[in-house]
Amino acid sequence: DSGVTQTPKHLITATGQRVTLRCSPRSGDLSVYWYQQSLDQGLQFLIQYYNGEERAKGNILERFSAQQFPDLHSELNLSSLELGDSALYFCASSVSQSASGELFFGEGSRLTVL
Amino acid sequence: QQQVKQSPQSLIVQKGGISIINCAYENTAFDYFPWYQQFPGKGPALLIAIRPDVSEKKEGRFTISFNKSAKQFSLHIMDSQPGDSATYFCAASSWSWGKFQFGAGTQVVVTP
Repeated sequence: DSGVTQTPKHLITATGQRVTLRCSPRSGDLSVYWYQQSLDQGLQFLIQYYNGEERAKGNILERFSAQQFPDLHSELNLSSLELGDSALYFCASSVSQSASGELFFGEGSRLTVL
Repeated sequence: QQQVKQSPQSLIVQKGGISIINCAYENTAFDYFPWYQQFPGKGPALLIAIRPDVSEKKEGRFTISFNKSAKQFSLHIMDSQPGDSATYFCAASSWSWGKFQFGAGTQVVVTP
């Protein structure tokens, strides 16, 4: 158990809908990372937050947004969903803001868009 | 643009054999190179990591070899066991860059 909690574990929705994925980092970790894992694309970095502030941005679509709350949990919002958004979404946390230490991953949220 | 290229995509090795996975990177600012192991239905977990000031790091049956001039690093799994069957990801990052770049992953199957 990594200590990172993601909910929901599975989500099935229709195209055009909006969903919110939630992540609670390990106790004491200030950084939260979001990754998208598709079958043929590996782990794609979406965005990182550190202590409530956006720290780094990857290939995150404009239809996607995220935030980190004062209690350090994070939410990833996906809107106007398309079939291609079906993927496993991982949250990871680390203690520091710099990307030079261990990332602890949750078990992911599997999104299926029909 | 994939900044970390990983190969092979998959490999099958017999129990007791050696598994070798290679990664190449482009950004010379990278200064941290971890390998993550992922089992089906689970998130990736750190296996072993290296920094560019050393050329090799060994932890049990797992060894990272690092070639700074060639911008390549590899994972060697010695005496492979069926329990090693998993997907392995290399990654690279820079403390100042703020994000980890992962390779595409290698699915390793160890046959009994």
